[in-house]
Amino acid sequence: EAQVTQNPRYLITVTGKKLTVTCSQNMNHEYMSWYRQDPGLGLRQIYYSMNVEVTDKGDVPEGYKVSRKEKRNFPLILESPSPNQTSLYFCASSPTGGFSYEQYFGPGTRLTVT
Amino acid sequence: GQNIDQPTEMTATEGAIVQINCTYQTSGFNGLFWYQQHAGEAPTFLSYNVLDGLEEKGRFSSFLSRSKGYSYLLLKELQMKDSASYLCAVRDTRGSYIPTFGRGTSLIVHP
Repeated sequence: EAQVTQNPRYLITVTGKKLTVTCSQNMNHEYMSWYRQDPGLGLRQIYYSMNVEVTDKGDVPEGYKVSRKEKRNFPLILESPSPNQTSLYFCASSPTGGFSYEQYFGPGTRLTVT
Repeated sequence: GQNIDQPTEMTATEGAIVQINCTYQTSGFNGLFWYQQHAGEAPTFLSYNVLDGLEEKGRFSSFLSRSKGYSYLLLKELQMKDSASYLCAVRDTRGSYIPTFGRGTSLIVHP
């Protein structure tokens, strides 16, 4: 089944404790991206990647890191999480071919930083 | 970058028709998407417009006017399961092919 997976789905952690949220897609998509979603603010892009070893900042990159060592994986790293990073996070992927390049989203990771 | 505006919330009656508007400003337009998102779930793709006009897909249609920076999503024969957020997203020519999302419109369908 074609899908984007994220792990963990839910995470409660404490300020300053490094964490990684994994994202994997099995559709051989070149493009991958990370979003955070907060009430009243909608989906905001954190980082995106156009291919292996090619990443760039989105609109809200502060406090986050990413890597793209393999085409299928695009982990999101919070080196020193803070309470303002409490949010719902979505990973997405999209192809380069086709007409619309629509994005396929993972199920989301709900992160709480205390 | 883009400036995308859509209403925060709308209500409608089961069986009716509802139109959700989206206006945008961008330096280089390269496509507009509509996504549906149920509470606590991932967004799912509904439609894509890159040329002016109406795209129809079952009960859902999407319209685009590039000169006016305007799109709408039309939902016909509303069902209770259509209660969700509807996200307008605009892609520009900055080269990333990753669109920017508006804040979404929460649609409540009541009996």
